[in-house]
Amino acid sequence: IAGITQAPTSQILAAGRRMTLRCTQDMRHNAMYWYRQDLGLGLRLIHYSNTAGTTGKGEVPDGYSVSRANTDDFPLTLASAVPSQTSVYFCASSPEGTGEQFFGPGTRLTVL
Amino acid sequence: GQNIDQPTEMTATEGAIVQINCTYQTSGFNGLFWYQQHAGEAPTFLSYNVLDGLEEKGRFSSFLSRSKGYSYLLLKELQMKDSASYLCAVRDGDYKLSFGAGTTVTVRA
Repeated sequence: IAGITQAPTSQILAAGRRMTLRCTQDMRHNAMYWYRQDLGLGLRLIHYSNTAGTTGKGEVPDGYSVSRANTDDFPLTLASAVPSQTSVYFCASSPEGTGEQFFGPGTRLTVL
Repeated sequence: GQNIDQPTEMTATEGAIVQINCTYQTSGFNGLFWYQQHAGEAPTFLSYNVLDGLEEKGRFSSFLSRSKGYSYLLLKELQMKDSASYLCAVRDGDYKLSFGAGTTVTVRA
């Protein structure tokens, strides 16, 4: 793989179900981020990780959790999905100190 | 927190120039980014300003005034492929980005 990948590409999920969105990068970037993008609201930060083993909350963390066991992977989990979590989810990574973020292709999630 | 404003939509003719303004109010500032996002795709990096002034990169230029909390992205010699959303983002001291809602630019023949 080259760059940053996300899986699945799209998913339809029943409300109340648990779902994990996967994100993997092979650029050895220290920092990784999860955003959701909704029409008219732009990209909003859900959770972030500045380095493996650490995570932090962004602007809209409620209902989501993350883990960062290693440098490459940064999964996002919805413990019990609700319809308001219907969105396009982007994972991003950034080399330490530069701030420029590289985005994955996104996951389109629909919660019914 | 961050408050970032940019126009929702702009339309221009192929070959013309368009300027997208971005104003921000922040609790911490450590640089301003512009990203381009085509419909259904991921955002891609366009430009970065941390000091006042103009940064030029081919047909795209970006300007920053930190004292005014103001930036603009200038797109010259517009091409049809420039039809996209343009996202203004401010970086805080923890290297987190806060994004504006984006400006959709439509280029007409």
